[in-house]
Amino acid sequence: LAKTTQPISMDSYEGQEVNITCSHNNIATNDYITWYQQFPSQGPRFIIQGYKTKVTNEVASLFIPADRKSSTLSLPRVSLSDTAVYYCLVGAAGNKLTFGGGTRVLVKP
Amino acid sequence: SQTIHQWPATLVQPVGSPLSLECTVEGTSNPNLYWYRQAAGRGLQLLFYSVGIGQISSEVPQNLSASRPQDRQFILSSKKLLLSDSGFYLCATGTGRYEQYFGPGTRLTVT
Repeated sequence: LAKTTQPISMDSYEGQEVNITCSHNNIATNDYITWYQQFPSQGPRFIIQGYKTKVTNEVASLFIPADRKSSTLSLPRVSLSDTAVYYCLVGAAGNKLTFGGGTRVLVKP
Repeated sequence: SQTIHQWPATLVQPVGSPLSLECTVEGTSNPNLYWYRQAAGRGLQLLFYSVGIGQISSEVPQNLSASRPQDRQFILSSKKLLLSDSGFYLCATGTGRYEQYFGPGTRLTVT
């Protein structure tokens, strides 16, 4: 499984855009990039998944460069309720998920 | 859509006591099932996963065990709890696209 590296924490303010970059230098050809969000005392929640280029849904956007060795999760106009831990995972369909430490995002008023 | 039930929600147990946590899944059949543990302020650690009834794979050597007696039932057990078993236990079910759905979790405190 590809190892991922992401910042330990990030602070932001309400209304700003938050971008979290994840490095995955040894990503394999059939690996997908998946992001989860976790609030305290809750299980992680799937946010977005992509293979290449850009993916956008109602919650976030995921930018993946051509070499796929990194990815950036973009949260537009964050609110206080976006304060959470965000995990970047890389792996192929059917594989077990491996969670790292994640990025703690704190949104301030 | 899939729904995952876990109970109990919280549990306080003395060291050396047995443990049984249950997870049941609705809305899907023959799911892949997973048990994770999360220590305070840490990431998730995969403990067990199962691809079918009676099929259990262990990821980390420990004093915990898992069983899958029915297609949509996954049980985490221990004969004698250790202090280090304290944590937040999460059951999850997966799809083929590396996407998992997590239950509400059980907060276990071993005293």
